[in-house]
Amino acid sequence: QLVQSGAEVKKPGASVKVSCKASGYTFANFYLHWVRQAPGQGLEWMGIMNPDDGRTTNAPKLQGRLTMTGDTPTGTAFMELSSLRYEDTAVYYCAREYRILGNGYFDLWGRGTLVTVSS
Amino acid sequence: EVVLTQSPGTLSLSPGERATLSCRASQGVSASYLGWYQQKPGQPPRVIIYGGSSRATGIPDRFSGGGSGTDFTLTISRLEPEDFAVYHCQYYGSSPRTFGQGTKVEIK
Repeated sequence: QLVQSGAEVKKPGASVKVSCKASGYTFANFYLHWVRQAPGQGLEWMGIMNPDDGRTTNAPKLQGRLTMTGDTPTGTAFMELSSLRYEDTAVYYCAREYRILGNGYFDLWGRGTLVTVSS
Repeated sequence: EVVLTQSPGTLSLSPGERATLSCRASQGVSASYLGWYQQKPGQPPRVIIYGGSSRATGIPDRFSGGGSGTDFTLTISRLEPEDFAVYHCQYYGSSPRTFGQGTKVEIK
């Protein structure tokens, strides 16, 4: 399972860091994604991290504001979003990628972390 | 970047009816990397179809996926009460791993 940290309230311009702790599988063996969902909206893919080597790819619109890291010994992934704006208010999910041949679908999701940006 | 457009936005049906959801890609894509997710209020999404037409573990056979090129469908042959939810399609063959905007299947 993937267990995420609790809800956060942040002011515009601040940063937020959300954690996602994996259990029941080998953390380094599966790519980890971050997906967010604004209130009443669809799913927005944010980025991917390879826990084995730490390499990441961000969605272009979040370039420069999104940092994804991982701590293999504890099996925990982190997503940090800086320079927060009101429109960053959303539920943030971590999701595991399951690969068969090539890229894979998201077979395991965290329960989500609500981040509210409010002055 | 592949853009996915789902239609309709909302589908109002009764239990027992057939639901057909559409997902159109902005360019031809491989069905091998097309997935569908179901999401209920307050819950994360869960995969129901991957590889265009393969049912995920535990998904009943009333769910089926199909299509090719730019047009893909998710069909629920007979709606059960637990099927009323939002459904998202996703193309995961390349980055960004885009999602459609979702189709809500609601009780009529």
